[in-house]
Amino acid sequence: NAGVMQNPRHLVRRRGQEARLRCSPMKGHSHVYWYRQLPEEGLKFMVYLQKENIIDESGMPKERFSAEFPKEGPSILRIQQVVRGDSAAYFCASSGGAGGSYEQYFGPGTRLTVT
Amino acid sequence: GQQVMQIPQYQHVQEGEDFTTYCNSSTTLSNIQWYKQRPGGHPVFLIQLVKSGEVKKQKRLTFQFGEAKKNSSLHITATQTTDVGTYFCAGPGTGGFKTIFGAGTRLFVKA
Repeated sequence: NAGVMQNPRHLVRRRGQEARLRCSPMKGHSHVYWYRQLPEEGLKFMVYLQKENIIDESGMPKERFSAEFPKEGPSILRIQQVVRGDSAAYFCASSGGAGGSYEQYFGPGTRLTVT
Repeated sequence: GQQVMQIPQYQHVQEGEDFTTYCNSSTTLSNIQWYKQRPGGHPVFLIQLVKSGEVKKQKRLTFQFGEAKKNSSLHITATQTTDVGTYFCAGPGTGGFKTIFGAGTRLFVKA
């Protein structure tokens, strides 16, 4: 299955710990998006990356959050010093082209719970 | 800032009834996309509309893109329990790189 993969699927962290979420895009895709979804809510754009470049991070909090998409390996969304408000589902999506005019393929998501 | 709004937020229908969700953008869109998310699942791409006034059909689903390219609708004829889920519209953000999702319409279908 060459779909978008995310791991872990579920992650529990205590307040103050770090959370690392991984996303492997669909084969052949070099464009990755990260979204956050709170229960019963929509998808909130966080960041758009291409290989080795952050293209648009306008939706990402300035503090504690960072993202990367290295030349080799998965894209990583890193949340430092997690707080309860970070509890959410984090979805990664990949596309075959740049920008919002290409369909996006979503991974199964990582459900982050901060205790 | 740019906004994509959807109504209604929720819709309860009896199986066999029709369902429509509406999407409105604060800005003109170059395209609009629709996604479906089943409860507990992830969003799945349904369709993309590009042309002004475009209408596309997928079996019982009919998608429309407004003449001004600021609004869109998804209509489901004769709903089935398999249609349950949240339907999102999405459009390119300012600058064209990010995608702005509407808040979604959650469809409940009673058998």
